[in-house]
Amino acid sequence: GENVEQHPSTLSVQEGDSAVIKCTYSDSASNYFPWYKQELGKGPQLIIDIRSNVGEKKDQRIAVTLNKTAKHFSLHITETQPEDSAVYFCAASRVQFYFGTGTSLTVIP
Amino acid sequence: SAVISQKPSRDICQRGTSLTIQCQVDSQVTMMFWYRQQPGQSLTLIATANQGSEATYESGFVIDKFPISRPNLTFSTLTVSNMSPEDSSIYLCSDRTGSYNEQFFGPGTRLTVL
Repeated sequence: GENVEQHPSTLSVQEGDSAVIKCTYSDSASNYFPWYKQELGKGPQLIIDIRSNVGEKKDQRIAVTLNKTAKHFSLHITETQPEDSAVYFCAASRVQFYFGTGTSLTVIP
Repeated sequence: SAVISQKPSRDICQRGTSLTIQCQVDSQVTMMFWYRQQPGQSLTLIATANQGSEATYESGFVIDKFPISRPNLTFSTLTVSNMSPEDSSIYLCSDRTGSYNEQFFGPGTRLTVL
């Protein structure tokens, strides 16, 4: 089955700096790669996703890139704000969703 | 996306008892799922809740421990039976909707077993 690895497990950045979280996957048949943000006490919220026919997607301060050859994808958050502090999960899917182990992001004011 | 609600939002239960968690979606959805998220961990799929038939369980999860009902396209329940402290987790309901089968999650039920 699919195996998704996510790094780093924790990340601290100064407010205004950029944050990058990386994931790798093993199944070349995976074709959908969502990212979720989970704030304390809440369920995961879908923040951005990318499909295998696209290399990059951007939505305001967040962007996701996909390298199908290397089987890795990354979340980029620019101009970070304290409210970006949360746990972020990546996932890879063809039918079933396989989740990464999460990255706890702390944005220091 | 459909709005997903869960009840209860949290509970503290005694060992050996059972708890039923309800999941309500505000529109009809084909696919509903139940996940477990142990403290500080990622999301693990328990089962797919099938409307009108038995749920499909993932490896390591059995119907006797986690019975699931799905009487219609907007509602499902998950029961955690004969609970032990190891069942302390967040239990999440999710659905897949949208043009590209995106997956959305409910707010979760935070269960503590003493």
